[in-house]
Amino acid sequence: AQSVTQPDIHITVSEGASLELRCNYSYGATPYLFWYVQSPGQGLQLLLKYFSGDTLVQGIKGFEAEFKRSQSSFNLRKPSVHWSDAAEYFCAVVPTGGGNKLTFGTGTQLKVEL
Amino acid sequence: DTAVSQTPKYLVTQMGNDKSIKCEQNLGHDTMYWYKQDSKKFLKIMFSYNNKELIINETVPNRFSPKSPDKAHLNLHINSLELGDSAVYFCASSSNTAPEAFFGQGTRLTVV
Repeated sequence: AQSVTQPDIHITVSEGASLELRCNYSYGATPYLFWYVQSPGQGLQLLLKYFSGDTLVQGIKGFEAEFKRSQSSFNLRKPSVHWSDAAEYFCAVVPTGGGNKLTFGTGTQLKVEL
Repeated sequence: DTAVSQTPKYLVTQMGNDKSIKCEQNLGHDTMYWYKQDSKKFLKIMFSYNNKELIINETVPNRFSPKSPDKAHLNLHINSLELGDSAVYFCASSSNTAPEAFFGQGTRLTVV
């Protein structure tokens, strides 16, 4: 079955530390891949996206993500976390077979310790 | 100059009432969506419209009825509200040529 998995429900990091949030997908063909962030009480903001080409993509707010076909993964990274990065992070996919149905993972809540 | 705007932001109502949530996008997108976020933050698509035509209708009670008067607007009407309808409802839009979706700020619906 097609699915998007975020194995970590909660992650806590210290401010200034590096961050990696995991995302795995299970689709027949590589889907379009996205990371969204939801700050408390806010809507969802697109951080970055991968359609094709260079497997390392840069996004807003200093985030980057790496697509690894062999691992069916699209992990989000940031070299140095700021306290304002505390939020819920969602990996999402759109199948490339047509239609724009965006399917989300279950989310990872990031807490930042000062 | 908000790209996707939805109203109201908060909605508190009693069981059995009927309510509507409105959504407008000024991005010129062709497709609009309604998503429901439950108390565990899980996001699930409810409906999708492309140029006013319904194209996705997930397993949603028929008490929920979307209406798209034009491609810039997608409203959600809910009849006979139940406690389980309490959630945050997000409107979103995307272009036919680019699959990334842009979201509104959400409407927090509380049924008491």
